[in-house]
Amino acid sequence: EIVLTQSPGTLSLSPGERATLSCGASQSIDSDSLVWYQHKPGQAPRLLIYNTSKRATGTPDRFSGSGSGTDFRLTISRLEPEDFAVYYCQHYANSFTFGPGTRVAVK
Amino acid sequence: QVQLVQSGGEVKKPGASVNISCRASGYSFTSHPVQWVRQAPGQRFEWVGRINAGNGVTKLSQTFTNRVTITTKNPARTVFMELRSLKHDDTGIYYCATRFATSSGFDLWGQGTQVTVSS
Repeated sequence: EIVLTQSPGTLSLSPGERATLSCGASQSIDSDSLVWYQHKPGQAPRLLIYNTSKRATGTPDRFSGSGSGTDFRLTISRLEPEDFAVYYCQHYANSFTFGPGTRVAVK
Repeated sequence: QVQLVQSGGEVKKPGASVNISCRASGYSFTSHPVQWVRQAPGQRFEWVGRINAGNGVTKLSQTFTNRVTITTKNPARTVFMELRSLKHDDTGIYYCATRFATSSGFDLWGQGTQVTVSS
């Protein structure tokens, strides 16, 4: 089973700053199977990015995804107050696996 | 309105079973497999399994094969997940979700059901 890792565990930034989140896979994966979610307390996760780099409906264009093979990234170009949350990457092969998450916190 | 609505929170004793429902509305229920995902406190999300709402075929995570049953009632547009032989580690929020308007990932989620296992 492919294991996903995410770094850093916590990213402390100020509104307006750029955030770069990393997701690593234990072996090379199909880019079409890598997605990113945003999760806020008390809410269901929200799909942000699918197929590594495609924005889901309603995802602002300050969010972008990139990567291939074993290394993937989610970039938030300029943090807005509503972007402070936990972000998870997810992969699908025979089953779905999630990374441990990166918390984007207010500095 | 396109949505998934789950049943309310449950408190159970170890060894008991819990049954959570997920009712779909606003879309073609039989066209989109319904997934179950859980998040235990402080843990990453964990996929439990899925059901093809059209034919009832299920696929379960190996972690849950022996303890989970997922079923559906089509006229009621509802999916059920039963988790048996509950342990304290099963405490967490259980979500149903589906892939509605995207080619990967889950873009439609239920609101989550808190399951607490406590003696």
